[in-house]
Amino acid sequence: SSELTQDPAVSVALGQTVRITCQGDSLRSYYASWYQQKPGQAPVLVIYGKNNRPSGIPDRFSGSSSGNTASLTITGAQAEDEADYYCNSRDSSGNLPYVFGTGTKVTVL
Amino acid sequence: EVQLVESGGGLVQPGGSLRLSCAASGFTFSSYWMHWVRQAPGKGLVWVSRINSDGSSTSYADSVKGRFTISRDNAKNTLYLQMNSLRAEDTAVYYCARDLYSSSSGYFDYWGQGTLVTVSS
Repeated sequence: SSELTQDPAVSVALGQTVRITCQGDSLRSYYASWYQQKPGQAPVLVIYGKNNRPSGIPDRFSGSSSGNTASLTITGAQAEDEADYYCNSRDSSGNLPYVFGTGTKVTVL
Repeated sequence: EVQLVESGGGLVQPGGSLRLSCAASGFTFSSYWMHWVRQAPGKGLVWVSRINSDGSSTSYADSVKGRFTISRDNAKNTLYLQMNSLRAEDTAVYYCARDLYSSSSGYFDYWGQGTLVTVSS
């Protein structure tokens, strides 16, 4: 099956910009979606499609894609953005419909 | 307000069975594809299964195929996951999630709080 690879951890200073990447062959064919998960909580959808934010998600979250890489950018990171972030995409290999990325822990300094 | 509330988790011995439920409210349940996603302790998210809006089409991850069965009762606004032949590696928090669109987009816009399944002797 396809895999989606993310950096295990990134850190960002308060108010600065951080980009989280997700790499995989399926991203050449499908857009990713991105999920924020805080400890002990369910994931929350923050970006889907080309660059769409669900209602209630701050506009400091944005998404982009190029080739086999999807990116989630947090512009002006806030303390409450400290969380795990997972990408997700359809699986182009056909073995199963969807695959999640390995996850990135974002620390806001 | 959209709500998804899972139940049915617990401790079960290897080889045992468990049925999870996900009670939905605040939206027209019968119009949406639904999914189960799990997360082993300290690990990442893993998609498990999906079912279409009327229950006529299902899909499974290879790791659970033949052991798990997803179903739904649209009259009761409830999603189910029947888990048989459970293994230690099935230990996880199980989340139900709604598909954003009235189809299988793979965008999960609402999630339940999760129910913990522990497979251990």
